[in-house]
Amino acid sequence: KAGVTQTPRYLIKTRGQQVTLSCSPISGHRSVSWYQQTPGQGLQFLFEYFSETQRNKGNFPGRFSGRQFSNSRSEMNVSTLELGDSALYLCASSPWGRLFPSEQFFGPGTRLTVL
Amino acid sequence: SQQGEEDPQALSIQEGENATMNCSYKTSINNLQWYRQNSGRGLVHLILIRSNEREKHSGRLRVTLDTSKKSSSLLITASRAADTASYFCACWDRGSTLGRLYFGRGTQLTVWP
Repeated sequence: KAGVTQTPRYLIKTRGQQVTLSCSPISGHRSVSWYQQTPGQGLQFLFEYFSETQRNKGNFPGRFSGRQFSNSRSEMNVSTLELGDSALYLCASSPWGRLFPSEQFFGPGTRLTVL
Repeated sequence: SQQGEEDPQALSIQEGENATMNCSYKTSINNLQWYRQNSGRGLVHLILIRSNEREKHSGRLRVTLDTSKKSSSLLITASRAADTASYFCACWDRGSTLGRLYFGRGTQLTVWP
């Protein structure tokens, strides 16, 4: 099976702009989670989607949003970018349904730089 | 915070030596997982240990879990230069059926040839 893919891999934006990142999970995986990784805060959970529904959300402002499509592909959007949004954004998919939390399979990440 | 916390933050050893990393957490867990991350790349799942397990092996990896002390350790035996990476423990919160992984800050392991 192909792994988790994320596009684009690198992105440079300026403050105030918005950005959309895309994630394609492993075939058959219905759970997709997003994480932000920065040197200062480490890996922070953004949100998790399952069957097009957001099941869980981390402690991030409303500028961060996401969605999941019927084919399980997911996008996350950040509006009104701030310098502090510069980070590696990681997407992870999991075969986990409802009862059995399992390992997560991560994509290579999107490196976002906000100037 | 429910995050796992790894110790040490950095570890530098020679090839062939064993590397031990520790993780402490604060909440009750369903399982605890270890991941590896090469510089600036995605995370790779190494091993998952459930809350009712005490020890698990996978190749050169050995993981222990002590739920009474809320701690886990990852042992990499006979380290290789290719093991150089950051290692993270991640806890799956027992309390929620809509759980999520809580990651620690990681241990940066450097293995010198």
